[in-house]
Amino acid sequence: EVQLVQSGAEVKKPGESLKISCKASGYWFISYWIGWVRQMPGKGLEWMGIIYPRDSDTRYSPSFQGRVSISVDESSNTAYLQWSSLRASDTAIYYCARHTPQTGSDYWGQGTLVTVPS
Amino acid sequence: DIVMTQSPLSLPVTPGEPASISCRSSQSLLHTDGNNYLDWYLQKPGKSPQLLIYLGSNRASGVPDRFSGSGSGTDFTLKIRRVEAEDVGLYYCMQVLQMAYTFGQGTKLEIK
Repeated sequence: EVQLVQSGAEVKKPGESLKISCKASGYWFISYWIGWVRQMPGKGLEWMGIIYPRDSDTRYSPSFQGRVSISVDESSNTAYLQWSSLRASDTAIYYCARHTPQTGSDYWGQGTLVTVPS
Repeated sequence: DIVMTQSPLSLPVTPGEPASISCRSSQSLLHTDGNNYLDWYLQKPGKSPQLLIYLGSNRASGVPDRFSGSGSGTDFTLKIRRVEAEDVGLYYCMQVLQMAYTFGQGTKLEIK
């Protein structure tokens, strides 16, 4: 069974760093892209970026380039999304999803709520 | 970036009636391989998004056949043949032709 299990909710202060995770199981990890999507409170979905675990090819939306970093640890089948300095505007739910352009984002994590009080 | 525009943004529907959502892209999503790189997703209240349609018209595994996707180039449509109560939520199109991918604004389907 394919599963993407994300790390738990976080409450951080502005300026702090954070790394959230997305652990994959039930499929060959290196053969599918893993994408990250943001959903701010009461808002729509925003595509942030994506990584291909086989070669760590990483692409970012211009809106998120330089603000976040996406990485993978092939040994643990885990993808990561990290910030070096959080802002209140980073408060959102973050989803990871397994993806190929030919089959879509067919499995999603449960989401990680990140709260950065202003 | 490719800009995705959905309409309507709100869609009240009586159960058993059909529903239709339009999605337009600022650039053609038709690849030289003949596929349209356009997906549809449904986000039910309080849940993660789920894939409905990929490559413009292919139903994802487990998706009821009352859902269908059509269109090519820059104009796409998601149709629900007969809306059921469980279909409420936010519907999004997303272009997957060019990384950075982009979503439409979302269409909220509600039951009348």
